[in-house]
Amino acid sequence: EVQLVESGGGLVQPGGSLRLSCAASGFTFSNYRMHWVRQAPGKGLVWISGINSDGSSTRHADSVKGRFTISRDNAKNTLFLQMNSLRAEDTAVYFCARIEVSGTRAFDMWGQGTMVTASS
Amino acid sequence: QSALTQPPSASGSPGQSVTISCTGTSSDVGGYNYVSWYQQHPGKAPKLMIYEVSKRPSGVPDRFSGSKSGNTASLTVSGLQAEDEADYYCSSYAGSNTPYVFGTGTKVTVL
Repeated sequence: EVQLVESGGGLVQPGGSLRLSCAASGFTFSNYRMHWVRQAPGKGLVWISGINSDGSSTRHADSVKGRFTISRDNAKNTLFLQMNSLRAEDTAVYFCARIEVSGTRAFDMWGQGTMVTASS
Repeated sequence: QSALTQPPSASGSPGQSVTISCTGTSSDVGGYNYVSWYQQHPGKAPKLMIYEVSKRPSGVPDRFSGSKSGNTASLTVSGLQAEDEADYYCSSYAGSNTPYVFGTGTKVTVL
C-alpha cells in the first residue's frame, strides 16, 4: 500500500525538543521531494520545511528557521523533522507530504498527521 | 510570505455550483502556473483535488475544476453533493526561498 505514516508527536514543555518521523512505503521514496506542513488547532495549513530528493538541499519557513531541521534517510525511506526550542505557537498537527521530482509542484500524498503540543 | 486570501465560507444546495477564490500576488499565484487545491474533511489529511491550475488527479470527479486569471485562482465545484462539504485550501509555488504558500481556507457547506 502506498502510504506515509508520521510518528513522534506528543506533549513537550516550551523550550524542549521533539523529533518527528515519516515512514514512506509503496513507492520509490527517492523520486520525491518531501515536505512538512502544519495545522494549528482550528487553523489553516502552513508549509514549514522541504527537502529535495537526495537530501542535499533544504528550505525552512522563517517561523521555524534556526530551530527546526528537516532531513531524510533514503535507505530507510524515512523523513525527519528535528524540532528544538519549541514554543507554544508550534502546537499543531504536523503532516508530511510528497511532491514528485518531475514537477507538478503539488502535494499528491499526505500522511495522517501527528500532534505536537508545546505546553507547560 | 503571506497566506493567500480565500473567503472564509461558501455554500450551495445539492446540485448547485460553488466557486472559491484564492488571491495572491505576482510572486506566487500570478507568477507561476503551479496552483493546487486541497479538500480536507474534519480530522483527516488534505487530499489533492486540482494541480497546475486546472488539472485533475486520477479519481477526482470532473465536477471539480480550476482556473486562474492574474493573481487570482478559482475552484468551482459543480453539482454539489453532500460529501463535498469540507474545508478547501489553495496553494501556490512561490519561488525557491519559501517555495509553497497556502490559502487561508474556505469552509464549504452543502445546504
